[in-house]
Amino acid sequence: AQTVTQSQPEMSVQEAETVTLSCTYDTSESDYYLFWYKQPPSRQMILVIRQEAYKQQNATENRFSVNFQKAAKSFSLKISDSQLGDAAMYFCAYKDNTDKLIFGTGTRLQVFP
Amino acid sequence: DTGVSQNPRHKITKRGQNVTFRCDPISEHNRLYWYRQTLGQGPEFLTYFQNEAQLEKSRLLSDRFSAERPKGSFSTLEIQRTEQGDSAMYLCASSLGLRVSLGELFFGEGSRLTVL
Repeated sequence: AQTVTQSQPEMSVQEAETVTLSCTYDTSESDYYLFWYKQPPSRQMILVIRQEAYKQQNATENRFSVNFQKAAKSFSLKISDSQLGDAAMYFCAYKDNTDKLIFGTGTRLQVFP
Repeated sequence: DTGVSQNPRHKITKRGQNVTFRCDPISEHNRLYWYRQTLGQGPEFLTYFQNEAQLEKSRLLSDRFSAERPKGSFSTLEIQRTEQGDSAMYLCASSLGLRVSLGELFFGEGSRLTVL
């Protein structure tokens, strides 16, 4: 069965600095999708960034970028120029040819001024 | 359209009682998902619908759980004979079918269940 592991329960970063959140996954599939979602306190979960496994180029969305290492089954999220509004739970998620997403346990990110 | 709406936002019940949660998805979305999230865990898939058809149920969904989506619009998740282990946040998400692969799931704020 596919699994997603986030080994960092909590991370902290100072405003304007850069932080990297780690995620590893296990699958025997070759075609799949990976995502990072953000869940602010008492707010809805929203999509931050996505990566298609067939694409070698790492995805980037403004201050958010990923380091996708397919062979190592690693998918980390880098947040540059961190802002106070980035404080949230971040979930890594996986989807293959089934219609459901499998989530990791999450990393709580704190941002200090 | 203001997004995915879930009600009630918080339900406190005694063990053994039945509870029902409602999810109103974004109107044009044909896919509707239910996830459960416990403290310190990520969302766990429970079930999903395409229109009114329930296409998959997780083994986490015991026979005390039932979900419906009549007419392919809103959905309800009922838990019968609640147990303390059912205490969790129940998340609903909706999407257009093919957009799921793009990660375009729109989540509600969740319904928190506390079983005493």
